[in-house]
Amino acid sequence: QVQLQQWGAGLLKPSETLSLTCAVYGGSFSGYYWTWIRQPPGKGLEWIGEVNHSGSTNYNPSLKSRVTISVDTSKNQFSLKLSSVTATDTAVYYCGGGGYWGQGTLVTVSS
Amino acid sequence: QAGLTQPPSVSKGLRQTATLTCTGNSNNVGDQGAAWLQQHQGHPPKHLSYRNNNRPSGISDRFSASRSGNTASLTITGLQPEDEADYYCSAWDSSLSAWVFGGGTKLTVL
Repeated sequence: QVQLQQWGAGLLKPSETLSLTCAVYGGSFSGYYWTWIRQPPGKGLEWIGEVNHSGSTNYNPSLKSRVTISVDTSKNQFSLKLSSVTATDTAVYYCGGGGYWGQGTLVTVSS
Repeated sequence: QAGLTQPPSVSKGLRQTATLTCTGNSNNVGDQGAAWLQQHQGHPPKHLSYRNNNRPSGISDRFSASRSGNTASLTITGLQPEDEADYYCSAWDSSLSAWVFGGGTKLTVL
């Protein structure tokens, strides 16, 4: 049974960098693409990007200039960085992969 | 980013059958199919089916996914109160090299 545990800062000021990490427990870390999605309050899901165990990435074209997703295979972890955040980046951020999802982290951007 | 099209809401009675639709194009749904996710308020999403229409282990066989052309469908039989949730479809878009989501359908069980 795969479990994902995520963590990171929940309150940011405009122009700061969002940073979240997700640890994967159980299952095969090398078997999937590991994904970040987000959900603004009261809205739908938005795909941010993904990374595989070798570091190959794909990003949402609308966020690509601000997003970096990286992987640390020694710890079975992957991370999200989103630079120059604004209020529109306020959302619950979820990590996932292989059909499994983390618990979500509410990130609020406010001055 | 081009998304997939889902009806905003569907209402059906208890023990009835609901069919939710997800329309894309030949670069996404029509190419490799769509996955379906269920999300209850305040909870993470949960996969109900993968792009190949297979269900993850533990998912009830009341949920079945299919595809015809550029439209994917999720059929839920014997509706139960706990089926009341938001349902999202998602597909890989080969022209964008990105995953795209539908806007979600809120299913109400009357």
